[in-house]
Amino acid sequence: SQTIHQWPATLVQPVGSPLSLECTVEGTSNPNLYWYRQAAGRGLQLLFYSVGIGQISSEVPQNLSASRPQDRQFILSSKKLLLSDSGFYLCAWSATLQGTYEQYFGPGTRLTVT
Amino acid sequence: AQSVTQLDSQVPVFEEAPVELRCNYSSSVSVYLFWYVQYPNQGLQLLLKYLSGSTLVKGINGFEAEFNKSQTSFHLRKPSVHISDTAEYFCAVSGNTPLVFGKGTRLSVIA
Repeated sequence: SQTIHQWPATLVQPVGSPLSLECTVEGTSNPNLYWYRQAAGRGLQLLFYSVGIGQISSEVPQNLSASRPQDRQFILSSKKLLLSDSGFYLCAWSATLQGTYEQYFGPGTRLTVT
Repeated sequence: AQSVTQLDSQVPVFEEAPVELRCNYSSSVSVYLFWYVQYPNQGLQLLLKYLSGSTLVKGINGFEAEFNKSQTSFHLRKPSVHISDTAEYFCAVSGNTPLVFGKGTRLSVIA
């Protein structure tokens, strides 16, 4: 069966510091991968998605970036964190980009920027 | 493009009472509809999905939803809620784009 991992589970970082969040998927090949941010009371915001290695689509312009160095690995990064980057970050995968296949979510990373 | 509107941001309900969480969607193409549940500090878990066929869809934990094409709705229902159903619920639509999520409805079950 497929599983999705995220780490770290929680992170407290000062403003201006770099960020690296990692997501890996097991049990499937060539998944579509997604990064979402969830801020309090604001629902889910799609940040990036990827259909393959090195292929990243950005949904929201910001100081975050994403990379996909391996088929089942998705990394969210920032060179300098802002207070507004605080939130709950969720990684997800799906078999297809659109249509009938649902997304499966990881456990999330709680990021607090101080 | 698709969009989703969850009409209630918060729904308080007493234990063992019925509940309906409302979801309306907008799309110019055929859609596939989903409901997810999120417990505190966890990821989202799929409750149920509508792809085609019967408009009444049954999911996990006793939840069901009805697809109504004429009203562009996909409301979630449960005849009798438990304390453990306290969570945030997200409606989502997919057509010719990745999943589009609503802003969520926080269900609070009161003992």
